[in-house]
Amino acid sequence: GAGVSQSPSNKVTEKGKDVELRCDPISGHTALYWYRQSLGQGLEFLIYFQGNSAPDKSGLPSDRFSAERTGGSVSTLTIQRTQQEDSAVYLCASSLRGTHEQYFGPGTRLTVT
Amino acid sequence: DAKTTQPPSMDCAEGRAANLPCNHSTISGNEYVYWYRQIHSQGPQYIIHGLKNNETNEMASLIITEDRKSSTLILPHATLRDTAVYYCIVREGAGGTSYGKLTFGQGTILTVHP
Repeated sequence: GAGVSQSPSNKVTEKGKDVELRCDPISGHTALYWYRQSLGQGLEFLIYFQGNSAPDKSGLPSDRFSAERTGGSVSTLTIQRTQQEDSAVYLCASSLRGTHEQYFGPGTRLTVT
Repeated sequence: DAKTTQPPSMDCAEGRAANLPCNHSTISGNEYVYWYRQIHSQGPQYIIHGLKNNETNEMASLIITEDRKSSTLILPHATLRDTAVYYCIVREGAGGTSYGKLTFGQGTILTVHP
């Protein structure tokens, strides 16, 4: 079956512009996660959605970052007024409630110039 | 989540077993041990997880010590495609306050050579 998909695969933007990154989870997966991986850094948790529960936003680095999940499926991560330090690969993952495995997408490589 | 310690890098000959160690001495009773790997330019891939008992699946085996303070991931017959960064993660199971997010460390870079 189809895995987690993310778009765009690459995004180059100018400092100060807003960007939206999209994640399509595996059909039927109730949990959705966003992570980012900066050059030379490990994977950093950003936000976690589980069904209709309030999302865990504890990993969002600043109020310029926000995410929503519409209809319990597709999610959009928005970064406002991008900064050069936002350059990273943004990874989305999904999982079935109560299961252990998270399935990751290929990521969106964001470059802020 | 408990902190894990892994060697930064390891080498393995193709066809031999790769044994990747992980220390998690502060693991608590309701925390699982997970292994993921990340092949260059791809998203992480789940490999295996365990709580107390040793586990085996089509990809690997997980050996957890009796005191649960350390574990070893075993790739029984490593191939060149197994070259990747391997992450050992501990996390609470469902119902725990930290359930959900994975906290990745630096991992072990495994290089399989011909």
